[in-house]
Amino acid sequence: DIQMAQSPTSLSASVGDRITISCRASHNLMNYLNWYQHEPGKAPKLLIYAASSVQTGVPSRFSGSGSGTDFTLTIDGLQPEDFAVYYCQQSFSSPFTFGPGTKLEIK
Amino acid sequence: QVQLQQYGAGLLRPSETLSLTCVVSGGSFSGYYWNWLRQSPGKRLEWIGEMNQSGRTTYNPSLQSRLTIAEIYRSQFSLRLTSVIAADSGTYYCARRNTMLSPGDFFDFWGQGTLVTVSS
Repeated sequence: DIQMAQSPTSLSASVGDRITISCRASHNLMNYLNWYQHEPGKAPKLLIYAASSVQTGVPSRFSGSGSGTDFTLTIDGLQPEDFAVYYCQQSFSSPFTFGPGTKLEIK
Repeated sequence: QVQLQQYGAGLLRPSETLSLTCVVSGGSFSGYYWNWLRQSPGKRLEWIGEMNQSGRTTYNPSLQSRLTIAEIYRSQFSLRLTSVIAADSGTYYCARRNTMLSPGDFFDFWGQGTLVTVSS
């Protein structure tokens, strides 16, 4: 199985801040890497697919970059509704695997 | 708008069979892969397995021996996990995997989640 790691585990930030979350894979994913936002009691929401493509309807403050084994999610100009848990997920090969999550909290 | 509505029993005893159903509406069932995922308390999301409209299935090897995913009616698919244990407790989600936007391959629509508790 492809192992996924994320850093940091948690992050404290303020409204308006720019933050980045890193994701590292144990195998070359090319660009088969997705990012999801997960709020308590809700279903995960797709933000970024294919490493850098923004899903329809997702605000432009969300962006993704990277390829191979190292990827980054950036939120530029945090809004109150952005405080949630963020997961990366590889779709390069089955079984599809997720990172452990990064909890974004309000400072 | 595509919607996935899931239902099923949420409280089970050890050794019983977990059964969940996911109803897909507002979009085509064909051309996509229909998945189940779960998240146990304090753990990361885990992919369970999937099927396509032809009935072809792919399962997570860690669960394969206890798992069945199948289409039970038009645009409805199910999850059956036999011989459950406490470690199978968690929130279960159905989701659509979309491979139409090459090279994209992602879970774009999800069910609302079902909390499953396995306890004696």
